[in-house]
Amino acid sequence: TQLLEQSPQFLSIQEGENLTVYCNSSSVFSSLQWYRQEPGEGPVLLVTVVTGGEVKKLKRLTFQFGDARKDSSLHITAAQPGDTGLYLCAGLQMYSGGGADGLTFGKGTHLIIQP
Amino acid sequence: KAGVTQTPRYLIKTRGQQVTLSCSPISGHRSVSWYQQTPGQGLQFLFEYFSETQRNKGNFPGRFSGRQFSNSRSEMNVSTLELGDSALYLCASRNRRDYTTTDTQYFGPGTRLTVL
Repeated sequence: TQLLEQSPQFLSIQEGENLTVYCNSSSVFSSLQWYRQEPGEGPVLLVTVVTGGEVKKLKRLTFQFGDARKDSSLHITAAQPGDTGLYLCAGLQMYSGGGADGLTFGKGTHLIIQP
Repeated sequence: KAGVTQTPRYLIKTRGQQVTLSCSPISGHRSVSWYQQTPGQGLQFLFEYFSETQRNKGNFPGRFSGRQFSNSRSEMNVSTLELGDSALYLCASRNRRDYTTTDTQYFGPGTRLTVL
């Protein structure tokens, strides 16, 4: 069972459309990160959300952390071909005494924006 | 500042062989993590090293091993390769030993391993 479920797995839309991808879990996370990975490259960090209900914007990308810190969403407005890539969410669960075992990744959403 | 570098970028091996992959972290970073990425399983954590000590290990068989050198460079080794070991192997570096909620992990471009 995947700790972080991402949906949809694949999404292909036309340039200019809006889209939302989701990252869901039954577990609580101390923080959640979103990465974008392009072919032949490693993932690159886009944003980290820490507080329940937090919303962060990065140009046309809006990231939201659920109130209960179990889920997150990424909304892209007016998608462009340059947004094409694999979007990964990753959660961090901190121990009560501090420290963590590391990030848990979802399987990702493959996004294709067609011109 | 140079990013995380991994060598080689591509590798083709046959079943039963062994392979060693190398990772050089960002200068000043002492924590190195390794991940295996496959279409079916996504990104899965292999192990993490800090100051030459393995701090965490994922759920992989003993054929997968790693080490870190005093200059923070890290290597991972896979012995007795199986077809299912074909994957993109990613290395990531951080500048702290312990995770914080705002940590940034920097990934290298990966080594694409194909086992025939």
